[in-house]
Amino acid sequence: KNQVEQSPQSLIILEGKNCTLQCNYTVSPFSNLRWYKQDTGRGPVSLTIMTFSENTKSNGRYTATLDADTKQSSLHITASQLSDSASYICVVSAQNQGGKLIFGQGTELSVKP
Amino acid sequence: SQTIHQWPATLVQPVGSPLSLECTVEGTSNPNLYWYRQAAGRGLQLLFYSVGIGQISSEVPQNLSASRPQDRQFILSSKKLLLSDSGFYLCAWSVAGLRQAEAFFGQGTRLTVV
Repeated sequence: KNQVEQSPQSLIILEGKNCTLQCNYTVSPFSNLRWYKQDTGRGPVSLTIMTFSENTKSNGRYTATLDADTKQSSLHITASQLSDSASYICVVSAQNQGGKLIFGQGTELSVKP
Repeated sequence: SQTIHQWPATLVQPVGSPLSLECTVEGTSNPNLYWYRQAAGRGLQLLFYSVGIGQISSEVPQNLSASRPQDRQFILSSKKLLLSDSGFYLCAWSVAGLRQAEAFFGQGTRLTVV
């Protein structure tokens, strides 16, 4: 069964600190992996998207990594800001399912002053 | 540029009443369309996705149905709402056939069934 598992479920960090969120997936055959940021009550907004041939992709203070062999991805946030408080969602799509997106449950990040 | 419209933003409906949520996409053709639901404190759950007019795939058995009467229109419906249908509903679209196709989300509809 195609699944996406994220950890931790929630995380509290102090402003200015770094953090890393994890995503493990069993989706096969793999097409691409995306990280989204979702503010409370809003739609998700894309941070990064990677195919199997990409190991790292950055978007400002956000850096995503992908290991297609172990089927793991991480999202590293550098020098966190209060506005980083949100839910971060890992999304994987399979090659043979018409573009269907499979969502992880998300990691709820809270950045405290 | 492409945009996605979803309405209404909030909705309070009594149990047993019908539901119709509409989503339209502009600036693209033949998109993949999705309906998701997010219960309070939970992740996004895919409800339906469509790769073309009249083509609907249902991911979970439920009290809801979806239709795609036009290429860029996706409708989520129910004949009789249940309390458990309460949640945050999101419509999304992506370009079909591209491996790095981005998915864009609407702003969501907060549905409360009372």
